[in-house]
Amino acid sequence: DAKTTQPPSMDCAEGRAANLPCNHSTISGNEYVYWYRQIHSQGPQYIIHGLKNNETNEMASLIITEDRKSSTLILPHATLRDTAVYYCIGYQGNSGYSTLTFGKGTMLLVSP
Amino acid sequence: DTEVTQTPKHLVMGMTNKKSLKCEQHMGHRAMYWYKQKAKKPPELMFVYSYEKLSINESVPSRFSPECPNSSLLNLHLHALQPEDSALYLCASSFVARTSDTQYFGPGTRLTVL
Repeated sequence: DAKTTQPPSMDCAEGRAANLPCNHSTISGNEYVYWYRQIHSQGPQYIIHGLKNNETNEMASLIITEDRKSSTLILPHATLRDTAVYYCIGYQGNSGYSTLTFGKGTMLLVSP
Repeated sequence: DTEVTQTPKHLVMGMTNKKSLKCEQHMGHRAMYWYKQKAKKPPELMFVYSYEKLSINESVPSRFSPECPNSSLLNLHLHALQPEDSALYLCASSFVARTSDTQYFGPGTRLTVL
């Protein structure tokens, strides 16, 4: 299993970039790194995922180190609506199927 | 469209009741999942269905009974639950259950067992 480690909480000022780190030193070569977020009492929302290369979509950018032991999720211009728990997940195999194992995540608080 | 719908949004039931949670997706996904999330904890996997067959049961008590009548629909039948089963129940789906297939989650059903 790829265990991930994230800081329990982070603060960010509205309009600034939010950089959320994740350590996944035990990740194996075929495990993707996925990022989800969960706004209070809602279902988790998919943000982005990657294997080796950096990725960008309309929500965020994902920077993965060359050794794949860590990654950073970047929200380029954080808004108050980005306040949520952010989960970094190593997407792994389980009896031949791939399952998500959520860690504790990072509570991001975006303030005015 | 990446929508997964869940009904009901809220459910209150007694320990002797029988109730069901429903999950639906129309994205053509062939893998569907149930997760349970207790307050202030991350979601935990309960069941995985792949091509309408139960593929993973994470040692869930038999008072939770999943059912996948077709590729778009996933049910969770509840019977003789305990107060500690009160939680947010989340459904998710993906194209198939591979590492490159993104799971999309529904909004959840908030269950309270009295």
